[in-house]
Amino acid sequence: NAGVMQNPRHLVRRRGQEARLRCSPMKGHSHVYWYRQLPEEGLKFMVYLQKENIIDESGMPKERFSAEFPKEGPSILRIQQVVRGDSAAYFCASSRTKGRGMNTEAFFGQGTRLTVV
Amino acid sequence: GEDVEQSLFLSVREGDSSVINCTYTDSSSTYLYWYKQEPGAGLQLLTYIFSNMDMKQDQRLTVLLNKKDKHLSLRIADTQTGDSAIYFCAESGTASKLTFGTGTRLQVTL
Repeated sequence: NAGVMQNPRHLVRRRGQEARLRCSPMKGHSHVYWYRQLPEEGLKFMVYLQKENIIDESGMPKERFSAEFPKEGPSILRIQQVVRGDSAAYFCASSRTKGRGMNTEAFFGQGTRLTVV
Repeated sequence: GEDVEQSLFLSVREGDSSVINCTYTDSSSTYLYWYKQEPGAGLQLLTYIFSNMDMKQDQRLTVLLNKKDKHLSLRIADTQTGDSAIYFCAESGTASKLTFGTGTRLQVTL
């Protein structure tokens, strides 16, 4: 049973380009969370999705950022017109049900490290 | 909003015990977690504690929770060089999302 798979592991984009980060949750998991980790900081919640629905996007920047989790395929975090401040590690986590407690543990992927040059 | 704070750095000698501390502000926190992050890797859940518990022990790990003071600690007994990593405290309240601390970098010296 593969864990949470994120790709690419490393992504370099020029300012103004688009970045697309992919997350395949663990088998049987229908809840996906995206977090951003800036250098030397902890993880900050961005968005929580279930299949085809955004449940909580309170941590998403209002502009340029969007996320989806289609019925088929991975969850996508999309950043349009990237700026240097978007450089960070982006982590995806998935859980079988709501992410609280051991029975609903959130498993994290290895992250995508985005560098904007 | 919720806030979770940790000291940034801890250095211990191999074989000693490590104690990593965390304070949080959300009184509705139901679960509190400790994650470990090794360089270039994702987060590994080490242990968690439900808010109605005071202590939880799991092999070399002991978690203590003082709910009145909103203080959480992780004790690692017989610390090894392989324990060198960043340790994150996190809490979840009524929402499903996790709020993380800034992480404590544990350095284990010989």
